[in-house]
Amino acid sequence: RKEVEQDPGPFNVPEGATVAFNCTYSNSASQSFFWYRQDCRKEPKLLMSVYSSGNEDGRFTAQLNRASQYISLLIRDSKLSDSATYLCVVDDMRFGAGTRLTVKP
Amino acid sequence: NAGVTQTPKFRILKIGQSMTLQCTQDMNHNYMYWYRQDPGMGLKLIYYSVGAGITDKGEVPNGYNVSRSTTEDFPLRLELAAPSQTSVYFCASSYPTEAFFGQGTRLTVV
Repeated sequence: RKEVEQDPGPFNVPEGATVAFNCTYSNSASQSFFWYRQDCRKEPKLLMSVYSSGNEDGRFTAQLNRASQYISLLIRDSKLSDSATYLCVVDDMRFGAGTRLTVKP
Repeated sequence: NAGVTQTPKFRILKIGQSMTLQCTQDMNHNYMYWYRQDPGMGLKLIYYSVGAGITDKGEVPNGYNVSRSTTEDFPLRLELAAPSQTSVYFCASSYPTEAFFGQGTRLTVV
């Protein structure tokens, strides 16, 4: 089993839709979780950290489920500018393969 | 504040040639990383360092070497380049939470 696995995608959604991605991790002792965003042919950039109690930043909500060993990212009211690849990161900067999101008019 | 700087941005190598990808950060971060990203794929960790003088292998270290003589610099060496090393290479540094990436080096081995 890979250390970090993500929904393969791609996700194609209309503007205004709500979309959610999951990311599972294999190490039950993992402590740090993040979501990064990567635009086409660009470097990844931190979108948000994932805290045990869950956290929200505007239209974005991140959740951690330790029992099932996964983190999630929920995007509400999708914008065209949300189109990107979303990468989850666990602990010592191990990246998932990424989930590509395309938001269409 | 330059952040993480990678050079070169693009390079074409012939099979069997060697080269060094340079990475410098000015944020005084202890942790630094090298990743490769193949088309349509995620980032694979090649090597990482938790401080000057300390390096360790990541998921895909074969064919690469690194050194960390200073906090600022973390060069990646490719010896005997092979077509399988055609990829985009990203260097990153972190505090160790949020990671900051360089703009990448697009390497083609022909």
